[in-house]
Amino acid sequence: RKEVEQDPGPFNVPEGATVAFNCTYSNSASQSFFWYRQDCRKEPKLLMSVYSSGNEDGRFTAQLNRASQYISLLIRDSKLSDSATYLCVVNRQNQKVTFGTGTKLQVIP
Amino acid sequence: GAVVSQHPSRVICKSGTSVKIECRSLDFQATTMFWYRQFPKQSLMLMATSNEGSKATYEQGVEKDKFLINHASLTLSTLTVTSAHPEDSSFYICSAREASTNEKLFFGSGTQLSVL
Repeated sequence: RKEVEQDPGPFNVPEGATVAFNCTYSNSASQSFFWYRQDCRKEPKLLMSVYSSGNEDGRFTAQLNRASQYISLLIRDSKLSDSATYLCVVNRQNQKVTFGTGTKLQVIP
Repeated sequence: GAVVSQHPSRVICKSGTSVKIECRSLDFQATTMFWYRQFPKQSLMLMATSNEGSKATYEQGVEKDKFLINHASLTLSTLTVTSAHPEDSSFYICSAREASTNEKLFFGSGTQLSVL
């Protein structure tokens, strides 16, 4: 089983829709969690950290469920500019960072 | 946010030559840097973890004698692709971990390597 698993998609959604991605991780010792966004042929950029209490940044909401070992990302009111690959990142302190394979989102006009 | 500078952004070289890629953390100290490779339409693949002042830790299947990593200071790591071949053509990205910000990763802008 992979350490971090994501549905590769693609998720094709119309503008204005709400879309959610999940990411599961296998190591219960994982300590910090992030969502990154990667556009084609560009470097990943930090979208948001993920906390157990849940956190929101505008149209984006991230949540962590330690009991079930998954994190989620919710995007409301999708924009064309949200089209990208969303990477789930799981980190154990002072150890290697593990990336999911990414979920591709395509927002359609 | 923290800035990681990666240079060069694009390299075209002949088969058999060596190519050096630099990764610098500009406004923070990075005790750990990571090197990744990404082929078209595929996910990031971790190649190695670079720790300042010590030998890099390579992922399974990555040849340490081909991909030389040096992390001589807290702000600079280099990846040298030795005797490059066309199959080494890929997008190489570095990242640095900033310990003071809950282990967030910041990425360089990547290097597109094309070996002819």
